[in-house]
Parts: sequence; structure tokens; C-alpha cells
Amino acid sequence: EVQLVESGGGLVQPGGSLRLSCAASGFTFSSYTMNWVRQAPGKGLEWVSYISISSSTIYYADSVKGRFTISRDNAKNSLFLQMNSLRAEDTAVYYCARQDYMDVWGKGTTVTVSS
Amino acid sequence: QPVLTQPTSLSASPGASARFTCTLRSGINLDIYKIYWYQQKPGSLPRYLLRYKSDSDKHQGSGVPSRFSGSKDASTNAGLLLISGLQSEDEADYYCAIWYGTTVVFGGGTRLTVL
Repeated sequence: EVQLVESGGGLVQPGGSLRLSCAASGFTFSSYTMNWVRQAPGKGLEWVSYISISSSTIYYADSVKGRFTISRDNAKNSLFLQMNSLRAEDTAVYYCARQDYMDVWGKGTTVTVSS
Repeated sequence: QPVLTQPTSLSASPGASARFTCTLRSGINLDIYKIYWYQQKPGSLPRYLLRYKSDSDKHQGSGVPSRFSGSKDASTNAGLLLISGLQSEDEADYYCAIWYGTTVVFGGGTRLTVL
């Protein structure tokens, strides 16, 4: 079964850091580009970041550029999102999604930024 | 003006058809874009439905029924999602998206009520 499982979310104070992980299974992770997408409470979907198969191409939304870093470990079938300088507006459910058109999604991990 | 604009809500009766619009900002050429559509039921993860650029360049998500289809309306510069034979289980939020340069842009989403 093709599956993505996010982890690493939690409560963090403004200015703090978190590292999200996304574990992939049921498909050849190293053959797919990946994305992070977030959804603030009661709001719509917001794309966060993209990484190519070899990590040679990376894109970010303007809202997170300079604060978030996407990475992957193909040997461990894992995708990561290092989030620094967190703000209240980063509070959201964070999803990882497979390939350019996001055909497979995880169930998400919740990040709450609050003092 | 946002890159993609979706009506906030849509209502339709069981068995009827629903037509969702995703209007690209004036000046953005609809012809060159693949429009992606996602469904999100309350409390659940997003689900990829389909991609539509043209009748010769389209893709249906795995397991997505053929009563879900995509199209474009050049007169209004809009991508369309069409659902025929509406069922109560189709009640959900529907999002469109495009790759706009090096970022993914989502529309604000349309909530479908089947009543």
C-alpha cells in the first residue's frame, strides 16, 4: 500500500524550531519528487515547498523562504521540513504529498505556534 | 487579485451535476496551464481527483470515478471541474491548483453542499 506518514509536529513558542518528517512506503521513494503543503485551522490549502528526486531543485513559498528548509534521504525513504523562526501564522496541519501533482497525501501532522 | 479564484460555495441536488470554476487572474494564459483538482472531506486529508490541460492532455486520479471530469472555459479564463450524478458522499471542499512558475498556487476552495 502506498503510504505517507508525517510526524514531528507539536506545540512550539514563537521563534522556535521544529523538524517534520514524512516516512514513505509502498513505492520507490527515490523516483518521486515531493512537496509539503499546509492548512491553517479552518482555512484552505497552502503549498509550502518542493524538492526534486536528487534534491538538486528546491522551491519555497515566499511565506517560508529563508526560515524553512526541505530535504530528503532517499536511502531512508524520508522527507523532512526543518522549520525555524516559527510564527503564529505557521500554525497548521502540515501534509507531505507525492510528486508534482500531489497524487498521494499523508494524514498530516499538526504544528501549533503559541506562547 | 489572487492568481486563482474559486467561489466559496456551491449547492446542488443528489443526481444533478455540479460545475466548479477556477478562474485565472486576468493576463494569465489559461491555455498553457494544467489545472489540478483536489477533494477534501471534513476532517480528512486532501485527495487528488484529476488534472486537465486539454482533451489530449489530461489525467484521472487512481480510483476516481469517470463522473468527475475536467474542462476549461476560455471565455471566462477558467478551469472547470464537473461532477455528474451527485451523491451525498461528494459533499466536500474542492480545490484547484496550478504550477505558477516555481510555486504551486491553490485556489481558496469551494464547499459543495449536496441537498
